[in-house]
Amino acid sequence: LAKTTQPISMDSYEGQEVNITCSHNNIATNDYITWYQQFPSQGPRFIIQGYKTKVTNEVASLFIPADRKSSTLSLPRVSLSDTAVYYCLVANASGGSYIPTFGRGTSLIVHP
Amino acid sequence: DARVTQTPRHKVTEMGQEVTMRCQPILGHNTVFWYRQTMMQGLELLAYFRNRAPLDDSGMPKDRFSAEMPDATLATLKIQPSEPRDSAVYFCASGLRTNQPQHFGDGTRLSIL
Repeated sequence: LAKTTQPISMDSYEGQEVNITCSHNNIATNDYITWYQQFPSQGPRFIIQGYKTKVTNEVASLFIPADRKSSTLSLPRVSLSDTAVYYCLVANASGGSYIPTFGRGTSLIVHP
Repeated sequence: DARVTQTPRHKVTEMGQEVTMRCQPILGHNTVFWYRQTMMQGLELLAYFRNRAPLDDSGMPKDRFSAEMPDATLATLKIQPSEPRDSAVYFCASGLRTNQPQHFGDGTRLSIL
């Protein structure tokens, strides 16, 4: 099964760019890489999804190298409200089924 | 904005009691997931449905847990009998298709005394 590895925690300051990297060495050909954000007492919320190269939306960018064994979530100019846990998700295709496996997440703390 | 709705938001009960958690997926989504989140284990997949058919429940303790989708607007997760180690936050999520982003509810916080 594909396993994801992320840093347990990161600290940053308001206005800085934050890059969170996730490694997924066993990613399968058909797997997409999806990132979620979770605040306390809430369910995870979708941020961005990609398959290869670079994807950008209004809140983040996702960089995926050619070998797809890792991905980097980039949050530009973070604010205090970006303090949350960030998860990368890679699906595990097994016998035609889809088994999403979340990593332990990265706890990002943004300081004033 | 369409949302996944979970009920109840909180549940406290004694061990041995039956617990039923409910989820209303987003209309039109054909995949539904049940997760359990604890500090020790993080987010664990319990069960997964596509077009109301169970596709994977390998993460679920079969002797006490059961998951069903009686219709497209309702998914249920039952625990009988409940045990203190079942205390956790249970999340339901739905998605348009496999491999598409999942939309999570705000969870049911379950405490078994």
